[in-house]
Amino acid sequence: QSVLTQPPSVSAAPGQKVTISCSGSSSNIGGNYLSWYQQLPGTAPKLLIYENNKRPSGIPDRFSGSKSGTSATLGITGLQTGDEADYYCAAWDNSLSAGVFGGGTKLTVL
Amino acid sequence: EVQLVESGGGLVEPGGSLRLSCAASGFTFSSYGMNWVRQAPGKGLEWVSAISSYTSYADSVKGRFTISRDNAKNSLYLQMNSLRAADTAVYYCARGKLDGMDLWGQGTTVTVSS
Repeated sequence: QSVLTQPPSVSAAPGQKVTISCSGSSSNIGGNYLSWYQQLPGTAPKLLIYENNKRPSGIPDRFSGSKSGTSATLGITGLQTGDEADYYCAAWDNSLSAGVFGGGTKLTVL
Repeated sequence: EVQLVESGGGLVEPGGSLRLSCAASGFTFSSYGMNWVRQAPGKGLEWVSAISSYTSYADSVKGRFTISRDNAKNSLYLQMNSLRAADTAVYYCARGKLDGMDLWGQGTTVTVSS
Protein backbone atom coordinates (compact mmCIF):
# COMPACT_ATOMS: atom_id res chain seq x y z
CA GLN A 1 0.00 0.00 0.00
CA SER A 2 1.67 3.19 -1.20
CA VAL A 3 1.48 6.41 0.83
CA LEU A 4 0.58 8.31 -2.34
CA THR A 5 -2.40 6.92 -4.26
CA GLN A 6 -2.47 6.74 -8.04
CA PRO A 7 -4.86 4.91 -10.38
CA PRO A 8 -3.24 1.68 -11.60
CA SER A 9 -3.94 2.45 -15.22
CA VAL A 10 -5.30 5.03 -17.63
CA SER A 11 -5.80 4.94 -21.36
CA ALA A 12 -6.66 7.26 -24.20
CA ALA A 13 -6.38 7.49 -27.95
CA PRO A 14 -3.50 9.15 -29.81
CA GLY A 15 -3.89 12.91 -29.90
CA GLN A 16 -6.19 12.96 -26.91
CA LYS A 17 -5.56 14.23 -23.38
CA VAL A 18 -5.19 12.20 -20.22
CA THR A 19 -4.81 13.10 -16.56
CA ILE A 20 -3.22 11.04 -13.80
CA SER A 21 -4.09 11.80 -10.21
CA CYS A 22 -1.95 11.48 -7.10
CA SER A 23 -3.56 11.71 -3.70
CA GLY A 24 -1.79 12.08 -0.39
CA SER A 25 -2.05 13.92 2.89
CA SER A 26 -0.99 17.08 4.65
CA SER A 27 2.30 15.47 5.66
CA ASN A 28 3.43 14.87 2.08
CA ILE A 29 1.67 16.52 -0.86
CA GLY A 30 -0.06 19.08 1.34
CA GLY A 31 3.18 20.33 2.86
CA ASN A 32 5.88 19.71 0.28
CA TYR A 33 6.68 19.90 -3.40
CA LEU A 34 5.62 17.04 -5.63
CA SER A 35 7.47 15.57 -8.59
CA TRP A 36 6.44 13.28 -11.45
CA TYR A 37 8.51 10.64 -13.26
CA GLN A 38 8.09 8.74 -16.49
CA GLN A 39 9.49 5.24 -16.78
CA LEU A 40 9.53 3.75 -20.26
CA PRO A 41 9.72 -0.05 -20.43
CA GLY A 42 13.13 -1.35 -19.43
CA THR A 43 14.60 2.06 -18.67
CA ALA A 44 15.41 4.22 -15.65
CA PRO A 45 12.85 6.78 -14.49
CA LYS A 46 13.03 10.27 -15.93
CA LEU A 47 11.97 13.50 -14.25
CA LEU A 48 8.92 15.03 -15.95
CA ILE A 49 7.70 17.63 -13.47
CA TYR A 50 9.42 19.13 -10.43
CA GLU A 51 8.21 21.45 -7.70
CA ASN A 52 4.57 20.64 -8.53
CA ASN A 53 4.36 22.25 -11.95
CA LYS A 54 7.78 22.99 -13.46
CA ARG A 55 9.18 21.19 -16.48
CA PRO A 56 12.90 20.42 -16.79
CA SER A 57 14.65 21.49 -19.93
CA GLY A 58 13.76 19.17 -22.78
CA ILE A 59 10.35 18.11 -21.47
CA PRO A 60 7.68 19.22 -23.96
CA ASP A 61 4.86 21.45 -22.82
CA ARG A 62 2.44 18.61 -23.56
CA PHE A 63 3.25 17.56 -19.99
CA SER A 64 1.89 19.66 -17.13
CA GLY A 65 1.55 19.38 -13.39
CA SER A 66 -0.76 20.93 -10.86
CA LYS A 67 -1.40 20.62 -7.14
CA SER A 68 -4.31 21.51 -4.94
CA GLY A 69 -4.29 20.76 -1.24
CA THR A 70 -3.34 17.12 -0.75
CA SER A 71 -3.81 16.07 -4.37
CA ALA A 72 -1.90 16.55 -7.59
CA THR A 73 -2.49 15.90 -11.25
CA LEU A 74 -0.25 15.14 -14.20
CA GLY A 75 -1.71 16.12 -17.54
CA ILE A 76 -0.55 14.91 -20.92
CA THR A 77 -2.01 16.37 -24.10
CA GLY A 78 -1.53 15.33 -27.72
CA LEU A 79 -0.90 11.73 -26.69
CA GLN A 80 1.66 9.79 -28.68
CA THR A 81 2.37 6.07 -28.72
CA GLY A 82 5.79 6.93 -27.33
CA ASP A 83 4.10 8.20 -24.16
CA GLU A 84 3.17 4.64 -23.19
CA ALA A 85 4.97 4.23 -19.90
CA ASP A 86 4.56 4.02 -16.16
CA TYR A 87 4.15 7.34 -14.38
CA TYR A 88 4.99 7.96 -10.72
CA CYS A 89 4.42 10.83 -8.33
CA ALA A 90 6.77 11.43 -5.40
CA ALA A 91 7.12 13.73 -2.42
CA TRP A 92 8.81 14.03 0.94
CA ASP A 93 6.70 12.96 3.90
CA ASN A 94 7.28 15.03 7.03
CA SER A 95 5.64 12.50 9.38
CA LEU A 96 7.66 9.57 8.08
CA SER A 97 10.81 11.68 7.54
CA ALA A 98 11.11 9.72 4.33
CA GLY A 99 10.49 9.96 0.64
CA VAL A 100 7.32 8.41 -0.73
CA PHE A 101 6.22 7.36 -4.20
CA GLY A 102 2.83 6.65 -5.62
CA GLY A 103 2.17 3.11 -6.75
CA GLY A 104 2.52 4.10 -10.38
CA THR A 105 0.07 4.47 -13.25
CA LYS A 106 0.42 2.57 -16.51
CA LEU A 107 -0.55 4.71 -19.47
CA THR A 108 -1.82 2.93 -22.56
CA VAL A 109 -2.22 4.89 -25.78
CA LEU A 110 -4.84 2.93 -27.68
CA GLU B 1 28.94 13.98 -19.82
CA VAL B 2 26.62 14.41 -16.85
CA GLN B 3 25.85 10.93 -15.58
CA LEU B 4 25.48 8.52 -12.70
CA VAL B 5 26.73 4.95 -12.99
CA GLU B 6 25.80 2.33 -10.39
CA SER B 7 27.76 -0.81 -9.67
CA GLY B 8 28.12 -3.49 -7.04
CA GLY B 9 24.93 -5.44 -7.55
CA GLY B 10 24.84 -9.20 -7.68
CA LEU B 11 23.53 -12.41 -6.15
CA VAL B 12 23.78 -12.70 -2.38
CA GLU B 13 22.36 -15.17 0.12
CA PRO B 14 19.79 -14.10 2.72
CA GLY B 15 21.54 -12.52 5.67
CA GLY B 16 24.46 -11.46 3.52
CA SER B 17 25.88 -8.03 2.73
CA LEU B 18 26.53 -6.00 -0.38
CA ARG B 19 27.88 -2.52 -1.05
CA LEU B 20 26.52 -0.54 -3.95
CA SER B 21 28.41 2.34 -5.52
CA CYS B 22 27.27 5.22 -7.69
CA ALA B 23 29.91 7.13 -9.63
CA ALA B 24 28.99 10.69 -10.56
CA SER B 25 30.55 12.69 -13.37
CA GLY B 26 30.02 15.92 -15.26
CA PHE B 27 28.70 17.97 -12.36
CA THR B 28 29.71 19.24 -8.91
CA PHE B 29 28.76 16.17 -6.92
CA SER B 30 29.25 17.76 -3.52
CA SER B 31 26.60 20.38 -4.24
CA TYR B 32 23.75 17.90 -4.49
CA GLY B 33 21.72 15.71 -2.21
CA MET B 34 21.58 12.12 -3.43
CA ASN B 35 19.14 9.25 -3.15
CA TRP B 36 18.83 5.53 -3.58
CA VAL B 37 15.56 4.31 -5.09
CA ARG B 38 14.76 0.67 -5.78
CA GLN B 39 12.30 -1.27 -7.90
CA ALA B 40 11.42 -4.86 -7.15
CA PRO B 41 10.66 -7.09 -10.16
CA GLY B 42 7.34 -6.05 -11.68
CA LYS B 43 6.70 -3.51 -8.92
CA GLY B 44 6.76 0.25 -8.53
CA LEU B 45 9.45 2.62 -7.36
CA GLU B 46 10.39 2.66 -3.68
CA TRP B 47 12.50 5.40 -2.11
CA VAL B 48 15.24 3.83 0.03
CA SER B 49 17.54 6.49 1.41
CA ALA B 50 18.86 10.01 0.97
CA ILE B 51 21.93 11.95 2.01
CA SER B 52 22.47 15.68 2.14
CA SER B 53 23.42 17.44 5.35
CA TYR B 54 21.75 14.51 7.04
CA THR B 55 20.78 10.96 6.17
CA SER B 56 17.33 9.39 6.06
CA TYR B 57 15.99 5.91 5.43
CA ALA B 58 12.80 4.09 4.59
CA ASP B 59 11.48 2.08 7.52
CA SER B 60 11.95 -1.10 5.48
CA VAL B 61 15.74 -0.68 5.50
CA LYS B 62 16.40 1.34 8.65
CA GLY B 63 19.06 -0.29 10.80
CA ARG B 64 20.23 -2.54 7.95
CA PHE B 65 21.32 -0.13 5.21
CA THR B 66 23.77 2.76 5.47
CA ILE B 67 24.10 5.53 2.92
CA SER B 68 27.36 7.44 2.59
CA ARG B 69 29.28 9.56 0.13
CA ASP B 70 32.86 10.47 -0.72
CA ASN B 71 32.84 13.88 -2.37
CA ALA B 72 36.54 13.61 -3.20
CA LYS B 73 35.76 10.51 -5.26
CA ASN B 74 32.42 11.82 -6.57
CA SER B 75 30.81 8.66 -5.28
CA LEU B 76 27.69 7.60 -3.42
CA TYR B 77 27.43 4.31 -1.57
CA LEU B 78 24.81 2.05 -0.03
CA GLN B 79 26.02 -0.54 2.44
CA MET B 80 23.36 -3.23 2.69
CA ASN B 81 23.50 -5.72 5.56
CA SER B 82 21.17 -8.48 6.74
CA LEU B 83 19.73 -8.74 3.26
CA ARG B 84 16.33 -10.33 2.75
CA ALA B 85 14.52 -11.72 -0.28
CA ALA B 86 12.32 -8.61 -0.17
CA ASP B 87 15.40 -6.49 -0.91
CA THR B 88 15.67 -8.04 -4.38
CA ALA B 89 15.36 -5.13 -6.78
CA VAL B 90 17.03 -2.85 -9.26
CA TYR B 91 18.72 -0.10 -7.27
CA TYR B 92 18.98 3.36 -8.80
CA CYS B 93 20.92 6.33 -7.55
CA ALA B 94 19.28 9.67 -8.24
CA ARG B 95 20.42 13.27 -7.87
CA GLY B 96 18.44 15.88 -6.01
CA LYS B 97 15.56 15.93 -3.57
CA LEU B 98 12.03 14.50 -3.65
CA ASP B 99 10.79 17.75 -5.15
CA GLY B 100 12.62 16.73 -8.31
CA MET B 101 15.28 14.04 -8.77
CA ASP B 102 16.65 15.18 -12.09
CA LEU B 103 19.38 12.68 -12.89
CA TRP B 104 19.17 8.89 -12.57
CA GLY B 105 21.63 6.11 -13.16
CA GLN B 106 20.85 3.01 -15.21
CA GLY B 107 20.47 0.86 -12.10
CA THR B 108 22.22 -2.17 -10.64
CA THR B 109 20.43 -5.43 -9.86
CA VAL B 110 20.51 -7.02 -6.43
CA THR B 111 19.19 -10.55 -6.04
CA VAL B 112 18.86 -12.06 -2.57
CA SER B 113 18.39 -15.80 -2.83
CA SER B 114 19.83 -19.04 -1.55
